[in-house]
Amino acid sequence: GIQVEQSPPDLILQEGANSTLRCNFSDSVNNLQWFHQNPWGQLINLFYIPSGTKQNGRLSATTVATERYSLLYISSSQTTDSGVYFCAVNPSGTYKYIFGTGTRLKVLA
Amino acid sequence: SQTIHQWPATLVQPVGSPLSLECTVEGTSNPNLYWYRQAAGRGLQLLFYSVGIGQISSEVPQNLSASRPQDRQFILSSKKLLLSDSGFYLCAWSVGVGVNTEAFFGQGTRLTVV
Repeated sequence: GIQVEQSPPDLILQEGANSTLRCNFSDSVNNLQWFHQNPWGQLINLFYIPSGTKQNGRLSATTVATERYSLLYISSSQTTDSGVYFCAVNPSGTYKYIFGTGTRLKVLA
Repeated sequence: SQTIHQWPATLVQPVGSPLSLECTVEGTSNPNLYWYRQAAGRGLQLLFYSVGIGQISSEVPQNLSASRPQDRQFILSSKKLLLSDSGFYLCAWSVGVGVNTEAFFGQGTRLTVV
């Protein structure tokens, strides 16, 4: 089956810093989503981005489907950005959503 | 608008007891429904998904089963819980297949088997 790897696995930032999270996938996909899991476990939809670039405030994401990767950019990080960031892909021809390994982000005040 | 309800939020069950977790979706028809499990400090593992009433696909052999008795209802069950069944269980929904099929998640159930 498809492999979805995220890097880095852990990231510690000072408040105000910028970061880039990466998601690599091993096969073609219909779509890709980025989620933020807060300390209570809730998965927050950040981006639905099968290709191209999207921006929402301090967050933006880019997916290059032909090269099988996606990037999530966080600018001017805040302590509330802390948590785990997951990408999830829907492999072509399936109904499944397969999650990546996650990046645990901690933003220090 | 569409909403997803999942309950209970937390559950403590003894080893060997049965389990029933319920998930319902409102505001859409014929959704694709999913059950995921997240062990402590780990990623999300797809357990089951369903594309229609009575249609269940199992991803991982285990001590659990799923059923879809109604269009917008998805149930996760076990006859006898194991310690290894502890974890955070999440239900999700999407509509359609292919592009434009964004998934949305419920609040989750934190299960502790003691």
